[in-house]
Amino acid sequence: NAGVTQTPKFRILKIGQSMTLQCTQDMNHNYMYWYRQDPGMGLKLIYYSVGAGITDKGEVPNGYNVSRSTTEDFPLRLELAAPSQTSVYFCATGTDLNEQFFGPGTRLTVL
Amino acid sequence: QQPVQSPQAVILREGEDAVINCSSSKALYSVHWYRQKHGEAPVFLMILLKGGEQKGHEKISASFNEKKQQSSLYLTASQLSYSGTYFCGTDLQSGNTPLVFGKGTRLSVIA
Repeated sequence: NAGVTQTPKFRILKIGQSMTLQCTQDMNHNYMYWYRQDPGMGLKLIYYSVGAGITDKGEVPNGYNVSRSTTEDFPLRLELAAPSQTSVYFCATGTDLNEQFFGPGTRLTVL
Repeated sequence: QQPVQSPQAVILREGEDAVINCSSSKALYSVHWYRQKHGEAPVFLMILLKGGEQKGHEKISASFNEKKQQSSLYLTASQLSYSGTYFCGTDLQSGNTPLVFGKGTRLSVIA
């Protein structure tokens, strides 16, 4: 089993460009999360989903959008990239006890 | 409502013990501990639930003081492989609400 996979691993964007970060899981977990991690700042929740068709905002949703059409996939969309969105992005799945399993991350730089 | 971790960083020699603390200003339902090695994704260590139930790592222990709204992670006889950043995540209620993570404690174990 692959667990949680994320693509791409690295990406450089120019200001104003858009992109989609992909996240796929084969753990059959209903809960999925997107976090961003800035140096020394811990993990900040961007969006989360409790199941297919249901999403909700986290702490830092501005500038991002998500969709959840299947249990397996939870893509994160960046519209009009800004330097402040330079970060490492982690996707995670969660069990009913909130035990979370993280993907390997996407390192994004916006120049 | 971000939990506060202390210390921010600690350096240990192999075989020494360490305690990492996580405090909240609000009553907690559960506390979760994760470890993140440099350049990698966070990995689940332990969950401590209100009422005393624990689930987690065999070589690392933790406590959860519900009255004081804090948790402590105990790393005994530290090994080089314990190096990394430790995060606590807190959950204020049951029902799998999203975790709020602390800023992390950087642990370095040297030979």
